Amino acid sequence: KAGVTQTPRYLIKTRGQQVTLSCSPISGHRSVSWYQQTPGQGLQFLFEYFSETQRNKGNFPGRFSGRQFSNSRSEMNVSTLELGDSALYLCASSSGQGAGDTEAFFGQGTRLTVV
Amino acid sequence: AQSVTQPDIHITVSEGASLELRCNYSYGATPYLFWYVQSPGQGLQLLLKYFSGDTLVQGIKGFEAEFKRSQSSFNLRKPSVHWSDAAEYFCAVGWREYGNKLVFGAGTILRVKS
Repeated sequence: KAGVTQTPRYLIKTRGQQVTLSCSPISGHRSVSWYQQTPGQGLQFLFEYFSETQRNKGNFPGRFSGRQFSNSRSEMNVSTLELGDSALYLCASSSGQGAGDTEAFFGQGTRLTVV
Repeated sequence: AQSVTQPDIHITVSEGASLELRCNYSYGATPYLFWYVQSPGQGLQLLLKYFSGDTLVQGIKGFEAEFKRSQSSFNLRKPSVHWSDAAEYFCAVGWREYGNKLVFGAGTILRVKS
């Protein structure tokens, strides 16, 4: 059974550009969550999509957006990149509706560097 | 507001010694509790989880954790640490009303001395 796949693994972008990251969850999983990991702020929740609907959203500016497709694949977009957006972006997939139903499986992440 | 605290940023133990990593959370009477491990530049691997029932849970790689509701704690333990356990450990908490959202602690970096 394939795990959570995130593409690309590494990205270098320039300030002001936009970027799209992709996450393919484990087959059959309907929930995809995104997290930003930085040395200063740690792991912070961005948003969760379940069956194509955003259910929860973290405390991030509107430059951060996402969507989920009918096959459960998810994309995350960051517009007008800032240096502070440099981070490891992690995607997690779950088969259940809530954290108490089953565990979340994490991808290896996309390392975004903004220069 | 939901928060998770891991008070130890770094811990160094000798190989073969016992280990305890601390985790406390705030908010809510019914948390779902997790410990994850991360190697440099990698994703997160689940060590163990607590949803309900027996408050002492066993995980992979010889780890265990105990949920103490009165102390809002979920400490991770291992009786004998191996050099390969060196990594960063994260405590995470979820709550029913927040779907699959997890709130993470700041992490504890474990160093193992030979």
